[in-house]
Amino acid sequence: EAGVAQSPRYKIIEKRQSVAFWCNPISGHATLYWYQQILGQGPKLLIQFQNNGVVDDSQLPKDRFSAERLKGVDSTLKIQPAKLEDSAVYLCASSFGQGESPLHFGNGTRLTVT
Amino acid sequence: SQQGEEDPQALSIQEGENATMNCSYKTSINNLQWYRQNSGRGLVHLILIRSNEREKHSGRLRVTLDTSKKSSSLLITASRAADTASYFCATDGTGANNLFFGTGTRLTVIP
Repeated sequence: EAGVAQSPRYKIIEKRQSVAFWCNPISGHATLYWYQQILGQGPKLLIQFQNNGVVDDSQLPKDRFSAERLKGVDSTLKIQPAKLEDSAVYLCASSFGQGESPLHFGNGTRLTVT
Repeated sequence: SQQGEEDPQALSIQEGENATMNCSYKTSINNLQWYRQNSGRGLVHLILIRSNEREKHSGRLRVTLDTSKKSSSLLITASRAADTASYFCATDGTGANNLFFGTGTRLTVIP
């Protein structure tokens, strides 16, 4: 099976600019996650979708971050405006369901904010 | 926070030796999972152990879980250079639908 696809692979922007990341999950996976991984740390959940509905966005900084999953397949994560502390790797993951379903991760987008 | 913490933060061993990593967490769980992350890549699922299980094996991996101590360990036997990666434990809280990842152990296997 094809894995989780993410683009772009790298992105460099200046603070206060906006940026968007795209994710295409594994076909048939209903659950999609966006994680933020700061260098040297573990991934931190930003938002979780079940089909096209939001299950958990409690840790998403909603004043600057937004995410959508139209038609319950692809998803985009946007940051506007970016801050220096947003520099991180943004990982998308998908799973068949919840609970015991393992997460399948993409290779992430490395964002550098200067 | 439910986030787990791995110990040690970094581990360096010779090829052929065994590597043991520990994970501690804070709240009750349904299951605990271990993931591996190679440099510059996404995480890869290794193994899942349920809260009512005490030990599980998969190939060269052995995972234990002690819910009374809220801790788990991952043992990699006969390590190989290709095992060099960061290893993360992830826990779900009872009633939660997502995973909380620990801080990771960076394993280096020297050929």
